Amino acid sequence: DAKTTQPTSMDCAEGRAANLPCNHSTISGNEYVYWYRQIHSQGPQYIIHGLKNNETNEMASLIITEDRKSSTLILPHATLRDTAVYYCIVRVASGNTGKLIFGQGTTLQVKP
Amino acid sequence: GAVVSQHPSWVICKSGTSVKIECRSLDFQATTMFWYRQFPKQSLMLMATSNEGSKATYEQGVEKDKFLINHASLTLSTLTVTSAHPEDSSFYICSARGGLAGGPGEQYFGPGTRLTVT
Repeated sequence: DAKTTQPTSMDCAEGRAANLPCNHSTISGNEYVYWYRQIHSQGPQYIIHGLKNNETNEMASLIITEDRKSSTLILPHATLRDTAVYYCIVRVASGNTGKLIFGQGTTLQVKP
Repeated sequence: GAVVSQHPSWVICKSGTSVKIECRSLDFQATTMFWYRQFPKQSLMLMATSNEGSKATYEQGVEKDKFLINHASLTLSTLTVTSAHPEDSSFYICSARGGLAGGPGEQYFGPGTRLTVT
């Protein structure tokens, strides 16, 4: 599975959009981009995933560049409860194979 | 989203004893389950992958005789830490995937089990 690069930490003001970047320049054509987050001392929470089209759900939007070498997770109106470590992971998704390998992620601090 | 539970949520045991952690998928059938370990201020490290009815596949450096994994049904996997030592103290997290064959298969995580070995 391809590696990802994320900034170590970011701050965001409460109520503003949080834009979390991720580089995955070695992504293969059959690899999806997944985003998870982990709030302190809890299990990771699934946020969103995509292959090449932009995706949106009730939690966030995922913008994937046309060359698929990078993506951005957008939390449209960040709240204090969105403070967490955000992980961008690429994974082969053929059948039930493919493992989620976690990097260091981005620690997002939402400030009042 | 789907729910994955773990039991116990925390456990304290004496060095040399064994501890079993259960992981259940509550509202879906998990064809594949994963076990992760997380030390303080570090990321999650994948320990092993198991498919229902098959032997688990362990990641490099993980002792299969020390961390026994059983995936006996589509809703239950167990991790047994045998002869636990203080260095085994960690946050153990299970994850379950029940996606359709050929699809991306979202993966859901349990709340974690905090193991402290004294």
